[in-house]
Amino acid sequence: RKEVEQDPGPFNVPEGATVAFNCTYSNSASQSFFWYRQDCRKEPKLLMSVYSSGNEDGRFTAQLNRASQYISLLIRDSKLSDSATYLCVVNRNNQGGKLIFGQGTELSVKP
Amino acid sequence: EPEVTQTPSHQVTQMGQEVILRCVPISNHLYFYWYRQILGQKVEFLVSFYNNEISEKSEIFDDQFSVERPDGSNFTLKIRSTKLEDSAMYFCASSEGTVQPQHFGDGTRLSIL
Repeated sequence: RKEVEQDPGPFNVPEGATVAFNCTYSNSASQSFFWYRQDCRKEPKLLMSVYSSGNEDGRFTAQLNRASQYISLLIRDSKLSDSATYLCVVNRNNQGGKLIFGQGTELSVKP
Repeated sequence: EPEVTQTPSHQVTQMGQEVILRCVPISNHLYFYWYRQILGQKVEFLVSFYNNEISEKSEIFDDQFSVERPDGSNFTLKIRSTKLEDSAMYFCASSEGTVQPQHFGDGTRLSIL
């Protein structure tokens, strides 16, 4: 089983749509959680950290369910510029900060 | 906004040659990392570095690889004898601590011929 598993993509949505990405992780010792976005052949860029209480940043909402080992990202009112690959990332913290990446879910927002 | 910088952006090398990839982490960060991404695959952890020593390394990071912080600003990854399968995008990252988010440089594309 993969340590971090994401929805297979791609997601093709019209502008203005709401889209949700799901992610599960296998190691219950994981302690920090993040969503990064990656544009084609570029570096991962931090989108947001994910907290147990859930958190929101503008159009983006992240949720964490530790009991289910499940992380989600909701994008409301999607824009053309949201087109990218979204990476679910987990950190066990007790391993020198090693980040474990999911394979990514590609989002394409169309006019 | 401070950023992680990497050089060169693209390195082309013959198999068996040594390469050094360079990174300048964000100045107040204490933890430094290298990751790689083979084309079409996910980002993979190579090594983490803190207080002038390796904290953690992956199975990929074998004896051909080494890291160094030669001065107060640079952080380097050396591959001693490159193989075809080392062709990938190499990302440097840094963070304030192991819990805080890591910030990535824009990568070095390494092509081994």
